Amino acid sequence: KQEVTQIPAALSVPEGENLVLNCSFTDSAIYNLQWFRQDPGKGLTSLLLIQSSQREQTSGRLNASLDKSSGRSTLYIAASQPGDSATYLCAVIAQGGSEKLVFGKGTKLTVNP
Amino acid sequence: NAGVTQTPKFQVLKTGQSMTLQCAQDMNHEYMSWYRQDPGMGLRLIHYSVGAGITDQGEVPNGYNVSRSTTEDFPLRLLSAAPSQTSVYFCASSDGTSGGWDTQYFGPGTRLTVL
Repeated sequence: KQEVTQIPAALSVPEGENLVLNCSFTDSAIYNLQWFRQDPGKGLTSLLLIQSSQREQTSGRLNASLDKSSGRSTLYIAASQPGDSATYLCAVIAQGGSEKLVFGKGTKLTVNP
Repeated sequence: NAGVTQTPKFQVLKTGQSMTLQCAQDMNHEYMSWYRQDPGMGLRLIHYSVGAGITDQGEVPNGYNVSRSTTEDFPLRLLSAAPSQTSVYFCASSDGTSGGWDTQYFGPGTRLTVL
């Protein structure tokens, strides 16, 4: 059974710091991996999607990497801002037609002014 | 585009009552799904659909029914509400053109309390 783990569960940093959020998954046979952002009381917003054949994806100050063989992904946020404060979730789709998005429990990020 | 919309935003039910959570999308997406989010459990898939007339069970389907009569709508029915169904429910859609589960677009959620 695919399991997704995100460490740390919470992270507090000062504004301007570069930071890395971690995601690990137990089964490397994935179709893709997605990073989401969730603000309190809101739905999820997709940030980046990495296909299994890709190593990384970039969007603005965000960079996500994928290492399928080790079952790991990282989300790098450059020059963090208070507006980046949110919970960040990663999720994987397993290959083989299971057609199920398996989520980690998220990392709650607080960026202090 | 309104994206993915969900109604109601909040709902309180008594044990045994039934209700339908509504979900609609205006992006002509084939894939739609329902998740529940519980503290300490993360998001879990309830049911999903890969097109009109096609539905399948996810990880936690018991106590819920779905149907997909149109591409736009994917309602979730609680047959007989139980306190264990107290949760936040999210609907999501994706276009499926790249083989299925591509970028997921989520609705704002329905916060359900069952007394």
